[in-house]
Order: sequence, then structure tokens, then C-alpha cells
Amino acid sequence: AQKITQTQPGMFVQEKEAVTLDCTYDTSDPSYGLFWYKQPSSGEMIFLIYQGSYDQQNATEGRYSLNFQKARKSANLVISASQLGDSAMYFCAMREGGNYQLIWGAGTKLIIKP
Amino acid sequence: NAGVTQTPKFQVLKTGQSMTLQCAQDMNHNSMYWYRQDPGMGLRLIYYSASEGTTDKGEVPNGYNVSRLNKREFSLRLESAAPSQTSVYFCASSEWALPTGNTIYFGEGSWLTVV
Repeated sequence: AQKITQTQPGMFVQEKEAVTLDCTYDTSDPSYGLFWYKQPSSGEMIFLIYQGSYDQQNATEGRYSLNFQKARKSANLVISASQLGDSAMYFCAMREGGNYQLIWGAGTKLIIKP
Repeated sequence: NAGVTQTPKFQVLKTGQSMTLQCAQDMNHNSMYWYRQDPGMGLRLIYYSASEGTTDKGEVPNGYNVSRLNKREFSLRLESAAPSQTSVYFCASSEWALPTGNTIYFGEGSWLTVV
């Protein structure tokens, strides 16, 4: 079974609109962390936002916020006021409990239209 | 600060050739990782080193070997390259083995093609 599922292979969004990128996860470990990364066409991985399973508040970092719904096991990334520079691949990843590795989703390709 | 530096950035190999990807970090991190990224997929862990002197297999270790040369450097070796190893390889490091938040740093990636 997929541990991290990103159901949107690609999205087109008009500039300045808000966009939500979906991520659902599957774990039975009560302690876990969820990450979002941006990968532009140049290839580097850029950290965006993190949510720990015990964090009481939804994480926010500038224009990025994480809509964390623990009971539904979803951790959607919300980008407010999208910009052309937001066009990139976006990956959701999870670290479970005492495991060292990050488990990655397949990614969503976001294209912002002017 | 350089962060995580990996070389080479691009390499073309013939089937059966060997090569080593080099990775160095200047942040005094304890843990280092090698991931691969195939088209349309997220990253998969090949090997990791939780601390200097230790290495462990990740999700897809077959066909690879690693060496934690010292605290700064973690190399990935392909002994006999196969076309299935065509991928983008990322080295990463973190202060401790269980990173949270913005505590895992990635290199810029190495594009490897095996023909």
C-alpha cells in the first residue's frame, strides 16, 4: 500500500489564485512528521513546510500553510496568492517514528498561468 | 555556505562500468543519505549513515555500495552500472538521524545515464 499518495499528477492555476495540493498518508505510528518540498526545473529540493504529528497548530511559512487533518490522514499544502515562480514539482514526504528515511509521494506538477 | 556538495553533476556511463558519486557537507552533520529519483516518482532511499562509522541499507540498496569516509564525506559507488540505475541521485545530510522541519539539507543532484 502507498504510504504517501498525491492524487494530482498535474495542476494548472491562474496567477494570484490560491492553490491546494493534496497529500494523504498511511501510518500506524503515532509519531510521525510530514514534509513538503518544491523541486523547480533546475532540480534542487527546496524545503517548504513541516508538520509534526503532535503539533497542535497547523504549520505556516509565509505563503505556505499546511492543512493538517489528522483523523483523515491528510496534509494538504496551501499556497496563497500564487506566483509564476511557484511553477514546479511539489512533493509530500513522511518520516515515521524511529525510521530514518523520508517516504515520498510521486509529486504534483504545478503550472501557474499568467 | 556550500551546504551539501555532490559531484559529478552529470555523468554518462556504459553498462558494466563503475563510478563513485562524491558527497560532502560542511555543516558538521552527523547523518548523511543517498536517494535516487526516477521520472515521475519521489525519492527513494538507497543507503544512509546515521553517524560517522555506520552505514545501513535503505529501500533500494541493490547494485550500490557506500562509504562514510569521515564525518563530512559520504560516497556512493556503482560497481557495475546497469541501465536500471539511470536516475537522478541526491545526497542529503541532517544533524541527527531523525530530522524534523528544515533540518535535512539536499545537494543539487547528480544526473546519471547508463547506456
